[in-house]
Amino acid sequence: SQQGEEDPQALSIQEGENATMNCSYKTSINNLQWYRQNSGRGLVHLILIRSNEREKHSGRLRVTLDTSKKSSSLLITASRAADTASYFCATDSQGGSEKLVFGKGTKLTVNP
Amino acid sequence: DTAVSQTPKYLVTQMGNDKSIKCEQNLGHDTMYWYKQDSKKFLKIMFSYNNKELIINETVPNRFSPKSPDKAHLNLHINSLELGDSAVYFCASSLMGLAGSDTQYFGPGTRLTVL
Repeated sequence: SQQGEEDPQALSIQEGENATMNCSYKTSINNLQWYRQNSGRGLVHLILIRSNEREKHSGRLRVTLDTSKKSSSLLITASRAADTASYFCATDSQGGSEKLVFGKGTKLTVNP
Repeated sequence: DTAVSQTPKYLVTQMGNDKSIKCEQNLGHDTMYWYKQDSKKFLKIMFSYNNKELIINETVPNRFSPKSPDKAHLNLHINSLELGDSAVYFCASSLMGLAGSDTQYFGPGTRLTVL
């Protein structure tokens, strides 16, 4: 069964605005990752947050994790047209980390 | 200096044919994966190999057979192709076998279209 579920499915904003994407999952996890996929390309790893972490930053990215609500959010600040892509969360499970289960993604469009 | 490469990038074929997709990584990683991404962008793990040994074999029709001649290569052979096999297939690799705690590096994908 699908583990991660992102919302919104699609998000359209203006350059300079912040973009927030959310991910909910069903079972307990060890780690949660966010990936970006540009149109027609492979996925690129953005950030990994462990289950004992609540927040992590990387450049203009901020990820939060709330294990009690089984949810995570990805915030992109001061967005740029180049941030236009689909964003996926992926989780393992506490039972084992041999595989990642991906959500369906949020398609972000940043208009110049 | 492509880290994870796949060939071919596009594959158009008739139903019933047999085809292969090749993947190579030059990162020195121990683990390689095949994923299938459907038309709704849903990405699902199919197989993973660690040092040429099969670790994950999801519920995939046995028409799909992965082969890992060495830890830098993981190929996917598909027999008797069906319309529902049309998708984008991604190869990925990670340093160790714990996908959940490892960064995965993805190839550019192979878009398979079955007519």
